[in-house]
Amino acid sequence: AQSVAQPEDQVNVAEGNPLTVKCTYSVSGNPYLFWYVQYPNRGLQFLLKYITGDNLVKGSYGFEAEFNKSQTSFHLKKPSALVSDSALYFCAVRDETGAGSYQLTFGKGTKLSVIP
Amino acid sequence: DAGVTQSPTHLIKTRGQQVTLRCSPKSGHDTVSWYQQALGQGPQFIFQYYEEEERQRGNFPDRFSGHQFPNYSSELNVNALLLGDSALYLCASSLFGEGGGETQYFGPGTRLLVL
Repeated sequence: AQSVAQPEDQVNVAEGNPLTVKCTYSVSGNPYLFWYVQYPNRGLQFLLKYITGDNLVKGSYGFEAEFNKSQTSFHLKKPSALVSDSALYFCAVRDETGAGSYQLTFGKGTKLSVIP
Repeated sequence: DAGVTQSPTHLIKTRGQQVTLRCSPKSGHDTVSWYQQALGQGPQFIFQYYEEEERQRGNFPDRFSGHQFPNYSSELNVNALLLGDSALYLCASSLFGEGGGETQYFGPGTRLLVL
């Protein structure tokens, strides 16, 4: 079975400060890891993914994420937060092999609020 | 390049009724997945369709069924609606065999309210 935990329901950060949204995962095999963002009354927008290779992944809108296999984590980061980054962020995992290999399993989401 | 589209955007039904939701995948994609997102929760996988067959199914009852057409578009059908079926239903499309994990791209969703 695969699972994702986002330990923080809400993260508040001042505009211009760095932000981190945390994610840990559990899979049987090798993970494919994804971050999505959801704005109010909208679907999910793809930000970035980790498949293999470099542990630091760069994505859209200046976001990046760091894969840490020993800690089974995939934290989302941005050096300087914008008010427009305020939204709901979801981490998701797919197991590279096994019965759950086609489905994405999502965390519960973290609400990011960037304060002007 | 058209993204994933879904219809309708909103729907109100009563308990016991049946509903059909529709999805057109992103241009060039051949795989469609459906997710249910309850208020305050992350999306939950319902099933995935590829080559007009259900390839994988999540933990949803048989009241949830689907179909994929030759043009890759898809429908989600829910029978005997329950109050607990009220949610945002998300469709995602992807390209089978894409190098790098088959990224799923999501549509705007259909918000279903069951009264």
